[in-house]
Amino acid sequence: GAVVSQHPSRVICKSGTSVKIECRSLDFQATTMFWYRQFPKKSLMLMATSNEGSKATYEQGVEKDKFLINHASLTLSTLTVTSAHPEDSSFYICSARPGQGESNQPQHFGDGTRLSIL
Amino acid sequence: EDKVVQSPLSLVVHEGDTVTLNCSYEVTNFRSLLWYKQEKKAPTFLFMLTSSGIEKKSGRLSSILDKKELFSILNITATQTGDSAIYLCAPLIGGTSYGKLTFGQGTILTVHP
Repeated sequence: GAVVSQHPSRVICKSGTSVKIECRSLDFQATTMFWYRQFPKKSLMLMATSNEGSKATYEQGVEKDKFLINHASLTLSTLTVTSAHPEDSSFYICSARPGQGESNQPQHFGDGTRLSIL
Repeated sequence: EDKVVQSPLSLVVHEGDTVTLNCSYEVTNFRSLLWYKQEKKAPTFLFMLTSSGIEKKSGRLSSILDKKELFSILNITATQTGDSAIYLCAPLIGGTSYGKLTFGQGTILTVHP
């Protein structure tokens, strides 16, 4: 149980393109989903928390207009990297946590999206 | 500022060895501490620790939390090559209902045959 699917797994595109990444909880509902970024040989850095039906909460230093998050349903959150540039190249990972409110369930992660901007 | 420090940063052992991975933390609004294993792709959940002194076990892996001294350890006995991975420690913190994970830099474990 607690499977999170992330798509696509790999994107290579030209500078200036916008890229959409999907994160789905396959066998549970997730009021809250999380988006992380991971640089080579570094740990995961939380970018934003996505709440179903409301605006995302962004971490300090993360541009809201650059990284658009939509959480339209209890099983789907999307991250759109707008007008991507080479410095946006990274490994993006989403996670979702079963339950609502102060659930004691752990976050489960998708397989990540490797984004390469040429 | 929240701080999570894992040690060692990397570790190379042979199959059959026992390893202990350390995680110390200084965070506000601590709720629990989670351990994850990351191989090539996304982290997979290992343990969630909320109470001090209660060991959690899963096969050859075990973990314990000390909330007074602010650290946790992850033990792996009789290591196998399949245990090679990055092990991440992440306190769950925050005043919101969902909290947020703050990850340490990870310990890279390499197990040789």
